[in-house]
Amino acid sequence: GAVVSQHPSRVICKSGTSVKIECRSLDFQATTMFWYRQFPKQSLMLMATSNEGSKATYEQGVEKDKFLINHASLTLSTLTVTSAHPEDSSFYICSAWGLANIQYFGAGTRLSVL
Amino acid sequence: LAKTTQPISMDSYEGQEVNITCSHNNIATNDYITWYQQFPSQGPRFIIQGYKTKVTNEVASLFIPADRKSSTLSLPRVSLSDTAVYYCLVGDGTGSARQLTFGSGTQLTVLP
Repeated sequence: GAVVSQHPSRVICKSGTSVKIECRSLDFQATTMFWYRQFPKQSLMLMATSNEGSKATYEQGVEKDKFLINHASLTLSTLTVTSAHPEDSSFYICSAWGLANIQYFGAGTRLSVL
Repeated sequence: LAKTTQPISMDSYEGQEVNITCSHNNIATNDYITWYQQFPSQGPRFIIQGYKTKVTNEVASLFIPADRKSSTLSLPRVSLSDTAVYYCLVGDGTGSARQLTFGSGTQLTVLP
């Protein structure tokens, strides 16, 4: 199956700093990637769709100036949480379409903002 | 958006067969049904996908009735390591919102 690599797996930062999370498709090209957010004991919530070479599409209620997405190549999308605050602490997961209409997910990034 | 409905939780014992049903009344003609497994602090993992009737792979079976308004994931002889949340999603693979919309999922707890 297709492999999606996400880095880092865990990050702790101080309030007010910015954090970048990388999502890579290792063995296939992904013109579109997706970013999800998951709070404890809750389901995944789609934040945005990352499109290679163009602007990301954000879901309603997601601040695009806080969650910057860059999809500069066919295998890499990045999510930058700018000026992070404790309420941004969450589990962030990326995904990409692989073969046969299947979404493949990264392992996730646990962000803790102190 | 097409919505999926699953039981919030299920308990089972080791060695038993577990069936988790998902309701998707608004499934579209081109939609596939895909099931994922998620362990705590991990990304979802693909289990199985189907369009109609029955699909089987090395870990599970997927049963889809003729009207396709529901589907059942069958896990044979579960073990403690199958304790996880299971999600069903429907969509046509074009990136439409409904295939990206996760329902509540089913928390399966396997007991010794």
